[in-house]
Amino acid sequence: DIQMTQSPSSLSASVGDRVTITCRASEAISTHVNWYQQKPGQAPKLLIYGESNLQTGVPSRFSGSGSGTDFTLSISSLQPEDFATYYCQQCYSTLLTFGGGTKVEIK
Amino acid sequence: QVTLRESGPALVKPTQTLTLTCTFSGFSLTTSPMCVSWVRQPPGKALEWLALIDWDDDKYYSTSLKTRLTISKDTSKNQVVLTMSDLDPMDTATYYCTRIQGYRSYRFLDYWGQGLLVTVSS
Repeated sequence: DIQMTQSPSSLSASVGDRVTITCRASEAISTHVNWYQQKPGQAPKLLIYGESNLQTGVPSRFSGSGSGTDFTLSISSLQPEDFATYYCQQCYSTLLTFGGGTKVEIK
Repeated sequence: QVTLRESGPALVKPTQTLTLTCTFSGFSLTTSPMCVSWVRQPPGKALEWLALIDWDDDKYYSTSLKTRLTISKDTSKNQVVLTMSDLDPMDTATYYCTRIQGYRSYRFLDYWGQGLLVTVSS
């Protein structure tokens, strides 16, 4: 199975900061990566699909990039509602896999 | 409006078989490229994909769990059922039902149920 490794596992940031989360695949997966946001007690929410396409209603401060094995989720200016855990997920293989998550906390 | 709802037991004993039902509305699982998938999340841990069934009744399973999982659909009832055999306390988790759109290599989980916490304990 394709393994997805996220880094860091957690980070502290302030409102207004630019935040970058990295996801590395165990093999090349082109641009077949999706990103999700999960807040405590809630189901995950799709943010970005196909590496860089914003899901309807997702603010433009979120963006995705990368191809091959290395991918990035960026938040250009962190807002209070963005404190959450973020997951990458590959869909290159029919056997889907998620990264281990990155928790974004308030500094 | 797309909705999904998980149902099943909240508590099961070790070695038993778990049966979870996902009842959905707002889309048809007979229309390509719709799929329904199950994902679980142990308390305080990461998401784990379990299984997927598509509009054409093709089924895919997590490699690590495939000997214990069975997924099926009843399109007349708009339901997808997941069974997991030989439960262990390590299977304690919130189980999510999700809709997936997209053909192979372009699949994203765009709608999620609220999740069902299943505890495995004697």
